[in-house]
This record gives sequence, structure tokens and C-alpha cells, in this order.
Amino acid sequence: GAVVSQHPSWVICKSGTSVKIECRSLDFQATTMFWYRQFPKQSLMLMATSNEGSKATYEQGVEKDKFLINHASLTLSTLTVTSAHPEDSSFYICSARGTTIAKNIQYFGAGTRLSVL
Amino acid sequence: AQKITQTQPGMFVQEKEAVTLDCTYDTSDPSYGLFWYKQPSSGEMIFLIYQGSYDQQNATEGRYSLNFQKARKSANLVISASQLGDSAMYFCAMRSSRLGNQFYFGTGTSLTVIP
Repeated sequence: GAVVSQHPSWVICKSGTSVKIECRSLDFQATTMFWYRQFPKQSLMLMATSNEGSKATYEQGVEKDKFLINHASLTLSTLTVTSAHPEDSSFYICSARGTTIAKNIQYFGAGTRLSVL
Repeated sequence: AQKITQTQPGMFVQEKEAVTLDCTYDTSDPSYGLFWYKQPSSGEMIFLIYQGSYDQQNATEGRYSLNFQKARKSANLVISASQLGDSAMYFCAMRSSRLGNQFYFGTGTSLTVIP
């Protein structure tokens, strides 16, 4: 299947700092990328959908000024958690979908565990 | 309203046995896709198998098969000859154009394979 790379896999930061998470599609062009948040032993919660070159669409209840998403190219999307606080600690995972990918399958990155102290 | 339902929070299976993970869905869209993903403890989501609503035959991928019963709106995952490495969380997901083509995930089933 297609490969999606997510970096970093683990980050620890101090409260008040910003953290950037990168999501790259390595072998296909990702016209659409998705960012999810997952709490322990729970399902994935969609945070936002981003299409290359346009503003992200955020799900209800997700602060767009808190979680900045940039999808500047067909292979890269970034999620920046601004002024992170302990309640932002979670597992963040991205996925990507492209026109060359059959059946609208979403391929996922390995996820980023964020711990805010 | 819940669009994807996985009623088994945890399942156990003996190594080399087959196991069925349940998934039911709710949509009025005649065109939709159903997906199963595996999430090991490392966290990555691994695509396993896909079933389209118009597919006449049940999907199969190696040891994975999807028991698609359209009238019952169920898409159960069958894993044959379970291996220790199959121990993980399994998520069922649905995509439909009427739901904006985004994925809706079930709550997951934790599978433990016993040696």
C-alpha cells in the first residue's frame, strides 16, 4: 500500500510552547489529508480535513487557531499545536488520500504522541 | 446517530483458530465503502481490507475476509489461522459521499491471540 510518513513519533514539550507535526505522502500525491486525535482506548476523532492549496475544514469543537493546519504541497501537511497545554496531550495521527489511490482508501501515518508538561 | 457500531470491545482467540469481528453500519447512501484497519500497540493504523457497496463478492486479502451482508448492514471481518501478531485493536470504518466522503470509525475491538 501507499506510504505516509509522520514525524516526530513522540514529542514532549513545556506548556505554552508550540509543536509542529509533519505528515508526508511518500509515493503518491495526497490531494486530501486528514488529522485525527485519539485518546487512550478510544476511536479516532477527526479534527480537520485539508485539501492542497486551500484552507482546512475543521470539525465542530476543534479550535482552528489552536490547531493550525497547512497543506502547502501535494505531499506535505503540517499540524501545529499552538501554545500547547497539558490537556492537548494526546495521540495525533494523519492520513492521506490521493486521486491515484484506488477505492478512496486512506493511508495513515504512524502517529505522534504529544506530552505537554 | 452512530454510523458504525462495533459491539465487541474485546475478543480472545486461540492461535491458529479463526475469529470474526463484528461491524454494523448505518447509511441511506446506496454508494459507500467499508474498511477495516488494524492498530497495534505502536499506534499506526494499517489498512487491511475494503468492500464496496456494489461489490458482488465478499472481499478477501490473504487471511482476512469480509463477510458483507448488505441487507443486514453488516461487514464483519474474519481472520483465519490467527497469529500472535494479530493481537491489536481493529477498527471498522465507512465512507459515503452523502457523509462528505470522510471516514467514520467504530469504537474498535481489541483482539488478543492466545498461544
